[in-house]
Amino acid sequence: QVQLVQSGAEVKKPGASVKVSCKASGYTFTGYYMHWVRQAPGQGFEWMGWINPDSGDTNYAQKFQGWVTMTRDTSISTAYMEVSRLKSDDTAVYYCARNSGYDYAIDYWGQGTLVTVSS
Amino acid sequence: DIQMTQSPSSLSASVGDRVTITCRASQGIASWLAWYQQKPNKAPKSLIYAASSLQSGVPSRFSGSGSGTDFTLTISSLQPEDFATYYCQQYSSDPYTFGQGTKLEI
Repeated sequence: QVQLVQSGAEVKKPGASVKVSCKASGYTFTGYYMHWVRQAPGQGFEWMGWINPDSGDTNYAQKFQGWVTMTRDTSISTAYMEVSRLKSDDTAVYYCARNSGYDYAIDYWGQGTLVTVSS
Repeated sequence: DIQMTQSPSSLSASVGDRVTITCRASQGIASWLAWYQQKPNKAPKSLIYAASSLQSGVPSRFSGSGSGTDFTLTISSLQPEDFATYYCQQYSSDPYTFGQGTKLEI
């Protein structure tokens, strides 16, 4: 069965960076784009972008261009999302989520990684 | 960016009820719309894609309809496990924006 297992919670200081991992299993990792979505506490969802694990091509939401980087390691079926220059309003649960393959909808989600930015 | 507006923001219902949640896009998105369910402190679950197609394993009591700017999610007979918050998302053009959510309560 498809599983996306993310790395554990992080606490960072403002100005630092954080890198979240997402290990995929149960399917061919390079066959499906991977989205990243975040949810601030008590808030709705914000789509950050996707990565094509096969080619490494990325598509970032304009808001995140220049300070979010999505990468992957196909040898271990793992996607990564790094946020730099963290601010307090980057405190959120970050999700990786598999693209369905039919279109750009999401079919499976990771369990989420809470990133807390606090001085 | 395309704005997605859900209504109502919250809804009280009972087991066995038929409920409908509406999602409106600020511009036409054809059928590029998904619905997700989220329970407290859990990751979302994908329900519907392409406005009306059920994801694998989703019970048939869930259905979606609409195209262009107006969409609906219908639950034909509420079950206890359906009480959650529901979100729509457009993926017609990026950024792929979400509605603000509809909380379905007993």
